[in-house]
Amino acid sequence: AQSVTQLGSHVSVSEGALVLLRCNYSSSVPPYLFWYVQYPNQGLQLLLKYTSAATLVKGINGFEAEFKKSETSFHLTKPSAHMSDAAEYFCAVSVAGSEKLVFGKGTKLTVNP
Amino acid sequence: EAGVAQSPRYKIIEKRQSVAFWCNPISGHATLYWYQQILGQGPKLLIQFQNNGVVDDSQLPKDRFSAERLKGVDSTLKIQPAKLEDSAVYLCASSIRTAGSTEAFFGQGTRLTVV
Repeated sequence: AQSVTQLGSHVSVSEGALVLLRCNYSSSVPPYLFWYVQYPNQGLQLLLKYTSAATLVKGINGFEAEFKKSETSFHLTKPSAHMSDAAEYFCAVSVAGSEKLVFGKGTKLTVNP
Repeated sequence: EAGVAQSPRYKIIEKRQSVAFWCNPISGHATLYWYQQILGQGPKLLIQFQNNGVVDDSQLPKDRFSAERLKGVDSTLKIQPAKLEDSAVYLCASSIRTAGSTEAFFGQGTRLTVV
């Protein structure tokens, strides 16, 4: 079975600072990994995904994530935070042949002016 | 391209009442999902359809929850009778498999409050 652990339910950064949201996964087979963003009262929007191609994945809005098999991690980063990045971020895992997504508990990002 | 449509957006009911949610997926998407998102948690899959067949309903509380996907297009999720712990956002998503991966597109959700 697959699972995801997101370290830190709340992260607060200053505008212009580095954003780092942590995600570790557990999977007995090679995983597909995803980051989704959820704005208040909205559904989830895909930021980026890893599907066994390049380990460094670039997504929308300047976000990127690096798949590190040795660390079973898929941390999300952005060099410079913007006020509009304030939202909740979810890491999710699935495996080839299954379209079921297993989500972490989410990390709420606050960006301070 | 139109997104995943869900209705209603908000619903308040008393415990032991029944409620139904509707979802219209993106045209051409064969797979449809219903997720339950309790406040402070990540979404949890309730049921997954492939066309009009159920692929996974292992986490659906079948004594009170039911879902169907008419003609492999839109879907209805029902709760009868509702309990206080059913208060959550119910998200519908749809997906289509492309080369190498699947991307799920989510609706805005229905926020259910059971009082």
